[in-house]
Parts: sequence; C-alpha cells; structure tokens
Amino acid sequence: GAGVSQSPRYKVAKRGQDVALRCDPISGHVSLFWYQQALGQGPEFLTYFQNEAQLDKSGLPSDRFFAERPEGSVSTLKIQRTQQEDSAVYLCASSTRTGQIGNNEQFFGPGTRLTVL
Amino acid sequence: AQTVTQSQPEMSVQEAETVTLSCTYDTSENNYYLFWYKQPPSRQMILVIRQEAYKQQNATENRFSVNFQKAAKSFSLKISDSQLGDTAMYFCASMNRDDKIIFGKGTRLHILP
Repeated sequence: GAGVSQSPRYKVAKRGQDVALRCDPISGHVSLFWYQQALGQGPEFLTYFQNEAQLDKSGLPSDRFFAERPEGSVSTLKIQRTQQEDSAVYLCASSTRTGQIGNNEQFFGPGTRLTVL
Repeated sequence: AQTVTQSQPEMSVQEAETVTLSCTYDTSENNYYLFWYKQPPSRQMILVIRQEAYKQQNATENRFSVNFQKAAKSFSLKISDSQLGDTAMYFCASMNRDDKIIFGKGTRLHILP
C-alpha cells in the first residue's frame, strides 16, 4: 500500500548541469502528472501521461524539460542545462482513470526540491 | 482558461476557533471539480475536500466544510474547532475534464495555541 514516491528528495545542481528526477506512482495507476511548485506559489502543471503515452506537455516551460514513462509505470523528468529559475519543488501525482471527470483523485508524492546554484 | 484566486496570503487563528479561507475561480466549463488541498511543511499534498460542480449540496468532511456559490464562482473552506495540526498551506484548486489541476497561490494558515 505504498503511496507515490519520488527521488531524490533534494537535489542541488550547478547551473548548466543536467538532472533527472524520478517518480514511482501507486501500482496500477494509469495516469501520472508532473507539477512545478516555485517557492511561495501553488503547483503548476507541467505534463501528463496516460500509461506510456504523453498526452499533454503544454506546461513544460522550455525544450530543456523532457519527461518520459517508457513502460507506463515509473516516470523521469529530465532538465537539461539547468538554470537558476528551474529551482523549485517538482511534484508527481498519480491517479486511476475511470473515464469520469473528478473520480480521478490525484495522489501526490513528497516532491523533489531542486536548487540550482 | 481556468484561474483560481486566493486573496488571503496568510491567516492566524486561535486553537478551537473557526476559520474561513476564501477562493474564487473562473472556468468556461459546465462540468468541473473544485478541491481544497493541505500542504504541511513535509510538502505532502493532501486532499482535504472536493466539490462536484453539478451538486448543489456543499461538501463536508468532519470539521471541514465548503461554501460553494456557483453563480459567484466562489468556493470557501471552513475549518471548525481548529487544531494545531491544521497549521499548513491550503490550496484551492479546480479541475476540468482534462484532469489538469489548476491551483491557487495558497493561504498559509497558522493555528495558535
């Protein structure tokens, strides 16, 4: 009965480095979401997967951000050539998908706090 | 486009008092969900309560209840008999049929002993 897990919990990167953030959703959850939460702000949508298909990536702020979920379970959010403005908490959430709006409660992980120096 | 507005950045109340957090939203959809999430310092986002837009009855969960005014696009959260463990950031949020959650900027709630 584990919930959504994310690793690492904290990541410090030098500007220009590439980082990879991992999300393990709840077993059997079809949908997976990534959100970015800047300091003092609410989370903002980045991208959404249904199984291995990336259905919506409209929230990714630049082409330096890339997400994948190759086998429909674990997902990785990769940020290339990190910039200081990428510093934020990155939240992952997963849900079942019943096809009915609002029945798809999203369960959130604890997030990864990324600090770019 | 969906928007969610929380006009109270920070609030403090004494333990056992009742507190109301305000939220307004905007959407062009007829069918949507509204949520209140709690985020303690551990960063774990926890669903407190949700309201289906097509239901007129206000949702309640133990000490938590909402005042949903659909015409005014208002969705406030009332916490009764507040407890020290209620101290956290509270986010109002909405979701259309695309499953994308839109969050407000949050209200930091302090429950004082």
